[in-house]
Amino acid sequence: DAGVIQSPRHEVTEMGQEVTLRCKPISGHDYLFWYRQTMMRGLELLIYFNNNVPIDDSGMPEDRFSAKMPNASFSTLKIQPSEPRDSAVYFCASSLAGSTDTQYFGPGTRLTVL
Amino acid sequence: AQSVTQPDIHITVSEGASLELRCNYSYGATPYLFWYVQSPGQGLQLLLKYFSGDTLVQGIKGFEAEFKRSQSSFNLRKPSVHWSDAAEYFCAVAYGNTGKLIFGQGTTLQVKP
Repeated sequence: DAGVIQSPRHEVTEMGQEVTLRCKPISGHDYLFWYRQTMMRGLELLIYFNNNVPIDDSGMPEDRFSAKMPNASFSTLKIQPSEPRDSAVYFCASSLAGSTDTQYFGPGTRLTVL
Repeated sequence: AQSVTQPDIHITVSEGASLELRCNYSYGATPYLFWYVQSPGQGLQLLLKYFSGDTLVQGIKGFEAEFKRSQSSFNLRKPSVHWSDAAEYFCAVAYGNTGKLIFGQGTTLQVKP
């Protein structure tokens, strides 16, 4: 299995631009998680899906952030408009079951907003 | 509030020395506990996890961890550290089957030759 795939690996954009991060979970995994990692706040769960349905988006910082999972093999995290404080590494992870199961992380997308 | 504390932000040990990374959690019931490792520029990889049963769990790469309910701790140990163990280590707690993992702030391990 190729593992969790994220694209792009690096993204540099200017403030105000729309940013879309993409994730392909491991085939057969029912859960998908989006995390953000910063020096100041550590690793934070933004949102997670079960069978393509958003279950908990309480970690999404504000309305500028949105996430979708149109099918079992693809998810996006969109930031519109982006701001410098959104600069972080964004991880996608997937698991077979819920939080009691191992989460497999992708390599992350390093986002820099200028 | 539910939380995970890793008291040591940075630890340096000599290659071949033993290692213990501390983790304390705050939760009323028995949590599900995890240790993940993150090498530079990479995602997180599971080292080991505890759900129930034997409180001493074995993981990959020679790591083990012990769950101590009385101390609300889940410390990670390795008897002899290798230079390749230099990385950031995260303790995490899951509460029930909510799907949410709460991560500690992480401990950066540096290994001296």
